[in-house]
Amino acid sequence: GNSVTQMEGPVTLSEEAFLTINCTYTATGYPSLFWYVQYPGEGLQLLLKATKADDKGSNKGFEATYRKETTSFHLEKGSVQVSDSAVYFCALSRPKLSFGAGTTVTVRA
Amino acid sequence: DSGVTQTPKHLITATGQRVTLRCSPRSGDLSVYWYQQSLDQGLQFLIQYYNGEERAKGNILERFSAQQFPDLHSELNLSSLELGDSALYFCASSADTVGTSGGASDTQYFGPGTRLTVL
Repeated sequence: GNSVTQMEGPVTLSEEAFLTINCTYTATGYPSLFWYVQYPGEGLQLLLKATKADDKGSNKGFEATYRKETTSFHLEKGSVQVSDSAVYFCALSRPKLSFGAGTTVTVRA
Repeated sequence: DSGVTQTPKHLITATGQRVTLRCSPRSGDLSVYWYQQSLDQGLQFLIQYYNGEERAKGNILERFSAQQFPDLHSELNLSSLELGDSALYFCASSADTVGTSGGASDTQYFGPGTRLTVL
């Protein structure tokens, strides 16, 4: 079945550092791919999405490109802030939303 | 604000009891999903309803049940509660138009969650 494998954390970075969180998937068909973020004490928020191969999703300085050839959807941000400290989940749709295990990111000032 | 509302925000109860969690989807969304998030199990899909009917089932225990009402709000019923049921329970909704194959309508929007503590 469809599944997502996500880079394990935790990840600790300094402010203005470059962030990459790896995500690879196994799927039949053409699922949509998502990154969700969960800030401390809150629910999951959609960060960005891509619905077909080579699509790039972007939001709040984060980017991820749907790579069918490598079955990947890695999340990147060029310069992180303390406010980016959160848990990040990669997910794919169809037949149901399948989540990765989540990666905890801590950004230090 | 995702537009999905959940009540209550917190719930504290005892083992053996029964509770009901409520979810109102975003306006116009027909699908409602329930998830459980615990430290040891991560985020687990429980069940999906689409326009009042059960569409998909995940790792939902027999002690748990859900339904979606004609106004599209949903309730998750948890009975014979055990300590291990303590978790965050999230509801999500999507437009989930029948027949799409990965378009924007399958994006799920999450509510703020209900934190259940079983003592």
